[in-house]
Amino acid sequence: QSALTQPPSASGSPGQSVTISCTGTSSDVGAYNYVSWYQQHPGKAPKLMIFGVNNRPSGVPDRFSGSKSGNTASLTVSGLQPEDEADYYCTSSAGGSTLGVFGGGTKLTVL
Amino acid sequence: QLQLLESGPGLVKPSETLSLTCAVSGDSISSSNYYWGWIRLPPGKGLECIASIFSSGKTLYNPSLKSRVTMSIDMSKNQISLTLNSMTAADTGVYYCVRHGKLSGYVLDVWGPGTTVTVSS
Repeated sequence: QSALTQPPSASGSPGQSVTISCTGTSSDVGAYNYVSWYQQHPGKAPKLMIFGVNNRPSGVPDRFSGSKSGNTASLTVSGLQPEDEADYYCTSSAGGSTLGVFGGGTKLTVL
Repeated sequence: QLQLLESGPGLVKPSETLSLTCAVSGDSISSSNYYWGWIRLPPGKGLECIASIFSSGKTLYNPSLKSRVTMSIDMSKNQISLTLNSMTAADTGVYYCVRHGKLSGYVLDVWGPGTTVTVSS
């Protein structure tokens, strides 16, 4: 299973919106609604931000949203804040008792 | 509150075997709802799943690492373990213990703080 493709970097100014893409194939992202997104600050463990394409765990601000079209999933961060600067990873799985495959990660910079 | 805490040697010599342990507190690993597993982050690279184990002993392995990985579960100590043999510099990184739901589609909802592993002679 090949890694999912993410842009290495993205940026935006405070208050703006930024969208990070995650491209897979018809065998992973396109086949299942099991796409998750994780935020990782330097030196910290990753944190679940989105699961099941567009669901937010309790405590995640509604500025974070997810979507999917065909073989590409997207994470949108609206109303950018300085604390949103971090690495973001997507993952996709076939569901049930299967491991997932990660994207290479996107470094989001808040200008 | 569920917490995961990884422990390991920190430094491993090339060709040797890495052994890591993850102690789980705040929940029982015998739960029928979750897998417990490992993810790693090599320096300058992205996250990579390694393996997961269910309370029944059923294991899931990353095909690229399967030949070198063994996972085990110790109900009495409420912990899981990982061994990775034939270590090389490419195995250097931060290793995280994680939980994911049996039916949720690899949603990693709880992470340990991670333990750094360096492969060097």
